[in-house]
Amino acid sequence: DTAVSQTPKYLVTQMGNDKSIKCEQNLGHDTMYWYKQDSKKFLKIMFSYNNKELIINETVPNRFSPKSPDKAHLNLHINSLELGDSAVYFCASSYRDSGGSYTFGSGTRLTVV
Amino acid sequence: SQQGEEDPQALSIQEGENATMNCSYKTSINNLQWYRQNSGRGLVHLILIRSNEREKHSGRLRVTLDTSKKSSSLLITASRAADTASYFCATDAYNNAGNMLTFGGGTRLMVKP
Repeated sequence: DTAVSQTPKYLVTQMGNDKSIKCEQNLGHDTMYWYKQDSKKFLKIMFSYNNKELIINETVPNRFSPKSPDKAHLNLHINSLELGDSAVYFCASSYRDSGGSYTFGSGTRLTVV
Repeated sequence: SQQGEEDPQALSIQEGENATMNCSYKTSINNLQWYRQNSGRGLVHLILIRSNEREKHSGRLRVTLDTSKKSSSLLITASRAADTASYFCATDAYNNAGNMLTFGGGTRLMVKP
């Protein structure tokens, strides 16, 4: 069983479109995250959600909106896609206050053309 | 901003040799973690060392932490071709929003058979 699964694995779309990436975790973790990895492999946190509450938002454009229907799901919706949004997006989950490790999904490679 | 800076950015060694990667960070931390990323895949947690620990072992991995110098090192002994991957350090710094992992830029390790 995949612990953190995200779909789709690849997403190619035109500028200006709106797209969503889905993430689900079956670990019972209480916090989920979205990270963006750029072409130089730098990982930057975008959002985290704990019990349906947004607790971190690191200067991400408001075209990006996380949506969490329940604590096992954290979807990422992107409006008006731009060329600079091309990257690999990773979902992760953890127990918020444990100071423990994160479990990552396998990533979604987004290409905006 | 990147909390961790990794050194070297790339490392190429022969199978059987040891590989050492270094990580420096800027702020006080709760723990430091190392992750591995194979090409085109997600990040996999390797080892976690808490701020009150100085050294930790896991199989062929040895991690050290020097909080006075704000630095850590990851040693992989008797490397194998299958160890070829990118290795990231990540610092866990607690704030009133919970723990948050911030990643360094990674070291790309190539182990030649």
